[in-house]
Amino acid sequence: QSVLTQPPSASGTPGQRVTISCSGSSSNIGSNTVNWYQHLPGTAPKLLIYSNNQRPSGVPDRFSGSKSGTSASLAISGLQSEDEADYYCAAWDDSLNALFGGGTKLTVL
Amino acid sequence: EVQLVESGGDLVQPGGSLRLSCEASGFTFSSYWMYWVRQAPGKGLVWVSRINSDGSITSYADSVKGRFTISRDNAKNTLYLQMNGLRAEDTAVYYCARDRIVVVSNTLDMWGQGTMVTVSS
Repeated sequence: QSVLTQPPSASGTPGQRVTISCSGSSSNIGSNTVNWYQHLPGTAPKLLIYSNNQRPSGVPDRFSGSKSGTSASLAISGLQSEDEADYYCAAWDDSLNALFGGGTKLTVL
Repeated sequence: EVQLVESGGDLVQPGGSLRLSCEASGFTFSSYWMYWVRQAPGKGLVWVSRINSDGSITSYADSVKGRFTISRDNAKNTLYLQMNGLRAEDTAVYYCARDRIVVVSNTLDMWGQGTMVTVSS
C-alpha cells in the first residue's frame, strides 16, 4: 500500500482530457513539491512534471500539473495513443524517504 | 549524450549478495546526487536509496536499511548498490537515476534502462 494514493487506472479517447489524482498527507505532499513520471514497461521512466507544475524541456504542454494542500493532479489534454503508459506521482516525505504513488495505468481507448 | 547504464543483475539465492553498478556518461557525474529505484514484477516504482555528490551522505528505504549499501566512485563515473541478505521480495528491476540539479531536489530527470535482480532458490 503506497503512502501516496493514485487510482489504479484511467482511460480516455483520443483528443479527450484526462486527469490523474495523487493524495498524500501533510508530511509529504503538504510540505514538499510533487513530481510526475511516465513509464512505459521495459523502458526508462521519464520525468514529466517537477516542482508541482513545471515541465522539463521537451515535454509537450499538453501535460500539466497542479497541487492543492495534500493532493496533486496530472492533467493530459488532447490525449494521444502514445500517452498510453503508467503514471506515477512522487514526493519527498519529512520522514526522510522519497515516496512514489502506486501508479496509474492510462489506457487510450 | 547523457546516459546511465546499469549492470550486475542476476539470479541469486535467498540470503545471497549482489552488487549492482551504474555507469554514467555525458555529464559531470561527481556533481550530482544519485538514486536507486526498483520495480517488482507487476508493481509500482519504489525508492531504494540515494547518495550525495561526494558519497558522504546516504539514505535508505526502511525495507533495505541495514542490508543494502549505496556508494559511488567519482573517478570511474560509477554508482553502486551492494545488496546483502537478499530476500524474495527484493526481486525487481533496479534503476539508477540522477537528480535534476546539482543541489538535491529528489527530482529524477535521467534514468537508466534497469537491471533485473531475481531472488529465488
